[in-house]
Order: sequence, then structure tokens, then C-alpha cells
Amino acid sequence: DIQMTQSPSTLSASVGDRITITCRASQSISSWLAWYQQKPGKAPKLLIYKASSLESEVPSRFSGGGSGTEFTLTISSLQPDDFATYYCQQYNSYSWTFGQGTKVEIK
Amino acid sequence: EVQLVQSGAEVKKPGESLQISCKGSGFTFTTYWIAWVRQMPGKGLEWMGIIYPGDSDTRYSPSFQGQVTISADKSISSANLQWSSLKASDTAMYYCARQKSRDGYNLRAFDIWGQGTMVTVSS
Repeated sequence: DIQMTQSPSTLSASVGDRITITCRASQSISSWLAWYQQKPGKAPKLLIYKASSLESEVPSRFSGGGSGTEFTLTISSLQPDDFATYYCQQYNSYSWTFGQGTKVEIK
Repeated sequence: EVQLVQSGAEVKKPGESLQISCKGSGFTFTTYWIAWVRQMPGKGLEWMGIIYPGDSDTRYSPSFQGQVTISADKSISSANLQWSSLKASDTAMYYCARQKSRDGYNLRAFDIWGQGTMVTVSS
């Protein structure tokens, strides 16, 4: 099984900050990496697919990058609505795995 | 509207059986893969398995193989998750989710999610 390691586990930031979350795969997954946002009591929401493709209606302050084993999610200017938990997710050979999550908190 | 609507919360005893469902609407249910994802209280997301309702092709995470059964009833656009003997450790929120597809090409991410079904197993 491919393991996904997200860092940091928790991130404290202020409105307007630029933040980056990193996700590392235990082996190459090409560009099969997605990012999700989850708020308490809600289902996850797809933000980025295929490493860098922005999902429809997701604000352009969200961007994804990377390939192979190292990937990033960047929020260019953190907004109040962005305080949530973020998960990466990989795909390889009919198997999907999520990272452990990064909680973005208000500083 | 494209949506997945899940069945309601369940409270069961250890050893009991259970099936929860996920009904799709607003899209051609038989042409999309539908996954199940577990989230234990206060924890992260775990992919359990995925089914293609068109032909019931099903794949399981090794962690859940033999522990649950995923099925589909394409006549009513429903995917199901079933336990034959529940354990307290099955207490969790369960989500179904649709694999994103464009022009028949699967994009390996989940774009539509159900609202979740909370399963509580307690004696």
C-alpha cells in the first residue's frame, strides 16, 4: 500500500497569510493526487484533482503542485472561510489512500 | 442537481447486521464509480472500497476486504455498504462519493459526496 504523509499536522495562520501544506507519497503516483477541504460535521469538498487542476467553482487562491512523490497545496491569501482540515488523497492501481490531514487554525 | 443522498443514522448492537445506502440522482449512475469512505470519530478519512454500478465491478482496500460488502442496485441508482456482524470499532461516519469523470476518463478524485451516515455500535 502507498502511504501518504502530510505536513504539518496543524498550522496556525492569520487571515491574508500565504500557506503551503505538503503531502509525500511512499512511492511515485505520477500526478494522481487530490486535495480536499473538510469542515466540522460536513462531507469533504474536492479542491484540486490531478495534482494541479482546480475543481469547478473553487476559488483561484487555492493551487496545487508537484508530481511523483511530493505535492503541495497552497492558499495564496487565507480567508476566514478557509479555516478547516485539509486532506490529500492518492490513487494507484485501483487503490486510494488519504493523508492524515492538516488542520488550519486561526492564529 | 447532481447529488448522492445517504440513508439515515443507525444505532446497532455488536453482532447485528446492517446495510446502509447511497442513492444517486442528476447523473447517469451506472457510468460512475462510487466509493465508500470511513471517518472514525475525531479521525481522518479512510478509503474502504469502490464499485462500478454498471457491472458491479468492486475493489476493496486490503484493510476492509472481508469486513464489509459493497454492492449496487442499478435499477434504483443505489450503492450499498453492508456488515454481517458489527463491532464497536465500526462506530464511524460513512460517506459515499462519486469518482470524477470527464468524457469517460476517470480522474481518480471524488467530486460528489453524500451527506454521511453515522453508524453507532454499542451494547
